Amino acid sequence: DAGVTQTPRHEVAEKGQTIILKCEPVSGHNDLFWYRQTKIQGLELLSYFRSKSLMEDGGAFKDRFKAEMLNSSFSTLKIQPTEPKDSAVYLCASSPQGGAETLYFGSGTRLTVL
Amino acid sequence: EQQVQQSPASLVLQEGENAELQCSFSIFTNQVQWFYQRPGGRLVSLLYNPSGTKQSGRLTSTTVIKERRSSLHISSSQITDSGTYLCAMEPSSGSWQLIFGSGTQLTVMP
Repeated sequence: DAGVTQTPRHEVAEKGQTIILKCEPVSGHNDLFWYRQTKIQGLELLSYFRSKSLMEDGGAFKDRFKAEMLNSSFSTLKIQPTEPKDSAVYLCASSPQGGAETLYFGSGTRLTVL
Repeated sequence: EQQVQQSPASLVLQEGENAELQCSFSIFTNQVQWFYQRPGGRLVSLLYNPSGTKQSGRLTSTTVIKERRSSLHISSSQITDSGTYLCAMEPSSGSWQLIFGSGTQLTVMP
């Protein structure tokens, strides 16, 4: 049973670059979440999709962060342009249909912006 | 303001000791969940506990919704329990999302 798959595991970018992170949710799951994790801020919600529709766009992250879900089995998170403060681990999670008890996380992408 | 506060921030135990982790919320919540994360590892759900007491093996969670708090008790800690424990809650406001605390870093020594 495949879990949530995130690629790449690590990404290094120069300031100002555009990077795209990828996520494949658990097959059949309707909800998909993008979180950012840092030591200082902890986990912050970036985006939330239900059945491919954007439900939550993360407020403060709107201007340079854009998540898309082109089909039910694939999502991307684009950061454009990147800044050093974007260095963090980006986590993707999926759930069959909401409900905290059924949230499955990927291993994350560690982004370093120089 | 942090909506989910966890304490302690870090905890060091000897193997076999018990651990008590605390979580408090600044707003009312519908449900609480505890997660575990090894360094560099993925977040794994441990216990979903909207209210009352729930147990899973050596883990016991007690949530008191009216008092806006939840706790996680780990009995007879093992070295493999080392890692970060995160508490997350869903606000009662209706927007389904999980808000996470900063975590408690647990180290169990031999």
